[in-house]
Amino acid sequence: QVQLQESGPGLVKPSQTLSLTCTVSGVSTTRGGYYWSWIRQTAGKGLEWIGRVHKSGTTNYNPSLKSRVTISLDMSKNQFSLNLNSVTAADTALYYCARVNVTGDLFFDCWGQGTLVTVSS
Amino acid sequence: DIQMTQSPSSLSASVGDRVTITCRASESISSYLNWYQQKPGKAPKLLINAASTLQSGVPARFSGSGSGTDFTLTIISLQIEDFGTYYCQQSYDTPVTFGPGTKVEIK
Repeated sequence: QVQLQESGPGLVKPSQTLSLTCTVSGVSTTRGGYYWSWIRQTAGKGLEWIGRVHKSGTTNYNPSLKSRVTISLDMSKNQFSLNLNSVTAADTALYYCARVNVTGDLFFDCWGQGTLVTVSS
Repeated sequence: DIQMTQSPSSLSASVGDRVTITCRASESISSYLNWYQQKPGKAPKLLINAASTLQSGVPARFSGSGSGTDFTLTIISLQIEDFGTYYCQQSYDTPVTFGPGTKVEIK
C-alpha cells in the first residue's frame, strides 16, 4: 500500500524559508513511471500545483512560484522535499505531497494527508 | 496557464438522483482531464483520469466524458457517501491547473 506523509514546521516567519519533507512508503521513488509533486490548497486560490521532481533529477515548477521554489528527491531515504523561500502570508496553505502517474496521462494517484503551514511573525 | 471552470459551484441533491458536474477548459486539452473527490479534512482522491477512465475501486455509478474543452462528471445514482467537493484538473500543459470545485451536498 502506497503512503505519503508530509512533515515540517507548521509555522514559518515572513521572509524565511518554508521546508517540508514527504516520506514515501510502499513504493520506491527509484521506480519509473512516476514524478513526485507538491500541491497546496487555500480557500482563496483553491488547489495550486507547485512543482514536481523525477528520479532522473528533472524538475518542473509552476512559473508563478519558480523563482522561490526548489523540489529535491532523496532516493536513499525514499523522501522528497519542498523549499519555498521568501515566504509571505500568501503562502499560508495546506500543503500536500502527491505521486504523479505519468503512464500516458499525468494524474495525481496518491496523496499525503496534508500539512498546514502558517506564515506569521 | 490553462484556466479551468466548473459549474455549478455547489448543488444539493437527493439519494438516487442523477448528478452532472461540468468542467470547461480555456483551450483545448484533448482528453487530458482528471476528476477528484475531496471530503472535509481529507486529501483529494482520484476518481477518473483521461476524461473517462475510472480508477480501480471507484464505484461504477461515476462516469466521465468529454474532450477538447468541455467535460462532464456524472453520478448516475447519488449515494450518501458521495458528499464532498469535486475538482477537475487538466494535465495537457504545464502548469497543471485545477478547477475551483463543485460542492455536492445530500438533501
